[in-house]
Amino acid sequence: QQQVKQSPQSLIVQKGGISIINCAYENTAFDYFPWYQQFPGKGPALLIAIRPDVSEKKEGRFTISFNKSAKQFSLHIMDSQPGDSATYFCAASPNQAGTALIFGKGTTLSVSS
Amino acid sequence: KAGVTQTPRYLIKTRGQQVTLSCSPISGHRSVSWYQQTPGQGLQFLFEYFSETQRNKGNFPGRFSGRQFSNSRSEMNVSTLELGDSALYLCASSLTPTKHYGYTFGSGTRLTVV
Repeated sequence: QQQVKQSPQSLIVQKGGISIINCAYENTAFDYFPWYQQFPGKGPALLIAIRPDVSEKKEGRFTISFNKSAKQFSLHIMDSQPGDSATYFCAASPNQAGTALIFGKGTTLSVSS
Repeated sequence: KAGVTQTPRYLIKTRGQQVTLSCSPISGHRSVSWYQQTPGQGLQFLFEYFSETQRNKGNFPGRFSGRQFSNSRSEMNVSTLELGDSALYLCASSLTPTKHYGYTFGSGTRLTVV
């Protein structure tokens, strides 16, 4: 069964610190890896995404690192702010599956001021 | 620009009943997907529609069905409700059924089955 395993389940970071969330997948037939951010009472919002032919992608304070051989990818949030406190989901899209995504179980990030 | 609109926001139903949830995608978006979100199973893909055709379906029983209309609006239906169907149902729209474009999710419909 195709799975995406996400860790840690929860994370507390000081303001200005680096938040790191890790994901691992078990199936090589994935071709798109997005990260979503969800605030309470809202739907997930696309944060940043990467394709498997790229090892790193940066957008502002958010960076995805991708290790194809290890089947792992991670989200780094630099200079974490209280407004970043939310639940973060990694996901992977199987080949030939349209836009369907398999999501990790989520990481609840709390940034303390 | 209006976002993805889901109605109703909250719904309480009794076991055995059926329910219909509605989703209006962002104007111009023609691809609509549905997800179920629960604390235990997380976000799970239900189905994807484009041009009124179901393109992909997740691993859910036949009690879960959906459709898309010519204006891209979509509905999903759950028949013979079970307690385990209590969840947040999320609709996501995309300009085209191209994964790299990314989804825009609505705020969801919170379904409670009692």
